[in-house]
Amino acid sequence: QKEVEQDPGPLSVPEGAIVSLNCTYSNSAFQYFMWYRQYSRKGPELLMYTYSSGNKEDGRFTAQVDKSSKYISLFIRDSQPSDSATYLCAMSAGGGKLIFGQGTELSVKP
Amino acid sequence: DGGITQSPKYLFRKEGQNVTLSCEQNLNHDAMYWYRQDPGQGLRLIYYSQIVNDFQKGDIAEGYSVSREKKESFPLTVTSAQKNPTAFYLCASSSLDYNADTQYFGPGTRLTVL
Repeated sequence: QKEVEQDPGPLSVPEGAIVSLNCTYSNSAFQYFMWYRQYSRKGPELLMYTYSSGNKEDGRFTAQVDKSSKYISLFIRDSQPSDSATYLCAMSAGGGKLIFGQGTELSVKP
Repeated sequence: DGGITQSPKYLFRKEGQNVTLSCEQNLNHDAMYWYRQDPGQGLRLIYYSQIVNDFQKGDIAEGYSVSREKKESFPLTVTSAQKNPTAFYLCASSSLDYNADTQYFGPGTRLTVL
């Protein structure tokens, strides 16, 4: 079993939809949780960073961490075609070593 | 502009050749990392370095080598011992003083073995 599991999709939604992206993990030592967005043939860019459990909101994006269930989510409200990309979750127990999910490919149709 | 640069963007290698991928950062970050990404897969850690002249193996170090002679630079050599080197290679860096687990990525190098 992988330490981090992420549904690879692809996920296709109409413009304006609410998107929910999810990852589960098995290592209870993970304390730091990140979401990266990666456009085709580009490097990942950091979207959200969360420490421990709770919610964090930044514009149309909301990150949720539920450590009791070992489950993290990224919500995108009012999705736009420019949100079409691969979304990678990543997490760490500290010390800078990140474990990545395999990424979910999202397509937002106009 | 502060950031991470990688070169070249595309690289072609014949079997049996060693090739070196460049990674430079001007963010004054202490830590630097090399990842490999294959289609439909997440990122896998090859090597990382938290200080000049020191580096650690990641999960898939076999067939790769690195050096860290300067804080700003962390080149990766893909040796002929790497049996399946065709992949997208990503370099990242992070501060060790603040949010050490927040890594920033370069644009990547796509390596193809002919």
